[in-house]
Amino acid sequence: KAGVTQTPRYLIKTRGQQVTLSCSPISGHRSVSWYQQTPGQGLQFLFEYFSETQRNKGNFPGRFSGRQFSNSRSEMNVSTLELGDSALYLCASSLDTNQPQHFGDGTRLSIL
Amino acid sequence: GQNIDQPTEMTATEGAIVQINCTYQTSGFNGLFWYQQHAGEAPTFLSYNVLDGLEEKGRFSSFLSRSKGYSYLLLKELQMKDSASYLCAVRDGHNDMRFGAGTRLTVKP
Repeated sequence: KAGVTQTPRYLIKTRGQQVTLSCSPISGHRSVSWYQQTPGQGLQFLFEYFSETQRNKGNFPGRFSGRQFSNSRSEMNVSTLELGDSALYLCASSLDTNQPQHFGDGTRLSIL
Repeated sequence: GQNIDQPTEMTATEGAIVQINCTYQTSGFNGLFWYQQHAGEAPTFLSYNVLDGLEEKGRFSSFLSRSKGYSYLLLKELQMKDSASYLCAVRDGHNDMRFGAGTRLTVKP
């Protein structure tokens, strides 16, 4: 069974640009969550989607948004990039909200 | 506020037993998860506790006391490959996942 796939693996952007990250969950998983991981803050929850609906949202500004498609694939968008957005962005999928999450390898975003 | 606290670093010897503690204060509780994360890799699921008590899975066990807001991960027969960060995560009453900063475990020969 294929795992969670995130693309791209690495990305370099400049301040003010916008970026879209993609996540393909494990087949059959309907819940997709996004996290930001930085050395100083650890893993921080961004949002969770289930059946194309946002179920939960973490404490991040509106520049961070996401969506989920009918095939459960999800995208995350960050607009007006700031230096502090440099981080590893992880996607995790699960069968449902209270089930164990399986993480992708992440997208490492660097802002210059 | 909501807090998930765990020790920053621990060191143990190959073949020994180590216990990694996690205390939490969250608005509501819908389960506690432990993940292992090797450097440069994604976290991998280790265990899930939603009721009080001990869950055993091979060399790894996890314990939960909801009344005390406390959990621990027990690793037995430590191997060098167990050197990694161990993340404690709580799904709170809003179903948001909240992660601790992680405990970096170093296993020495």
